[in-house]
Amino acid sequence: DIQMTQSPSSLSASVGDRVTITCRASQGISNYLAWFQQKPGKAPKSLIYAASNLQSGVPSKFSGSGSGRDFTLTISSLQPEDFATYYCQQYDSYPWSFGGGTKVEIK
Amino acid sequence: EVQLLESGGGLVQPGGSLRLSCAASEFTFSSYAMNWVRQAPGKGLEWVSGISGSGGSTYYADSVKGRFAISRDNSKNTLYLQMNSLRAEDTAVYYCARSDRASMVRGVTGYWGQGALVTVTS
Repeated sequence: DIQMTQSPSSLSASVGDRVTITCRASQGISNYLAWFQQKPGKAPKSLIYAASNLQSGVPSKFSGSGSGRDFTLTISSLQPEDFATYYCQQYDSYPWSFGGGTKVEIK
Repeated sequence: EVQLLESGGGLVQPGGSLRLSCAASEFTFSSYAMNWVRQAPGKGLEWVSGISGSGGSTYYADSVKGRFAISRDNSKNTLYLQMNSLRAEDTAVYYCARSDRASMVRGVTGYWGQGALVTVTS
């Protein structure tokens, strides 16, 4: 099974900051990597698929990159609505697996 | 707009059974694979099971294999998760999520329901 390791597990940032979250797969997954945003008490929201493709309606301040084992999610200028937990997920092979999550908090 | 509405959650004793449903609307249900993903209280996301658009292919996480069964009724636009031999560690919010294709191969889950809480306790 493929393990997904996210870092950091949490971070504190200010409005306007540039934030980067990393995700590493235990083996190569090509670009079959998705990113989700989850706010408390809500369902996850799909942000990015195929490592770097924005879902429809997702603002361009979100971007993703990477291939193989190493991936990043970047928020170019953090806004109040971006404070949430972010998860990566590999869908290259079953069982699908998620990273442990990165909680982005207000500094 | 795609709508996914889970139901059937609740309180159940260890060893008991429960069936979750996910009613889908505003898309051609049989054209898309579907998945169940759960989240234990205060924890991360865990994929549970998936089924192809036709229902002919199913997949399970090792943690639920042999205890849970995924199915779908394309005539009713409804996804199911039959959960048997429930354990305390199955306590979670269960989300249904739609893939972007009928096949189970490398599908992206772009749409999620609001979730159903299952609590397993004596």
